[in-house]
Amino acid sequence: ETGVTQSPTHLIKTRGQQVTLRCSSQSGHNTVSWYQQALGQGPQFIFQYYREEENGRGNFPPRFSGLQFPNYSSELNVNALELDDSALYLCASSWRAQTDTQYFGPGTRLTVL
Amino acid sequence: QKEVEQNSGPLSVPEGAIASLNCTYSDRGSQSFFWYRQYSGKSPELIMSIYSNGDKEDGRFTAQLNKASQYVSLLIRDSQPSDSATYLCAVGGADGLTFGKGTHLIIQP
Repeated sequence: ETGVTQSPTHLIKTRGQQVTLRCSSQSGHNTVSWYQQALGQGPQFIFQYYREEENGRGNFPPRFSGLQFPNYSSELNVNALELDDSALYLCASSWRAQTDTQYFGPGTRLTVL
Repeated sequence: QKEVEQNSGPLSVPEGAIASLNCTYSDRGSQSFFWYRQYSGKSPELIMSIYSNGDKEDGRFTAQLNKASQYVSLLIRDSQPSDSATYLCAVGGADGLTFGKGTHLIIQP
């Protein structure tokens, strides 16, 4: 166990809806990164938060947004859900930004119908 | 755009043998490299990190890095059926971790 927790475990939404996923980082870590993993693919970087600021973003549209709180927990929000948003959403925490070792939470499985 | 390439497999290895997993990356300036193991339906679990050229050993696992060839490998000695999983190679950078698609490893009892 890495100490990174995510909620909920599973979620089913319909196209056009909005969803919020939550992540608590490992104790002592101040950086949270979010990834999307489609079936049969490697995780793809969505964005990273370091000390409550966005610190890098992958090739995802603005309807993917996030927050980091003073206790370093984080949220991922996705608006106007599309069928292709169905995936495993992974949160990873690390001590520092960028190249430091990242530890993953168990993930949230999102299904969009 | 950074790319990380892995053979998707499946790679089938007899129990007790050495499994060799390979990865190449496109960004010559990359400085940090990671191997993760992912069981079906689970999240990635860190196995090894490597930052310098050469070998790094941890138990049955050895990571090898050759920056000149832009090549990273993972050796698993004395392979066990519990090693059957997908192995993800990841490269660190300002854009977070860039992952390959993973190699599906099957250890045959």
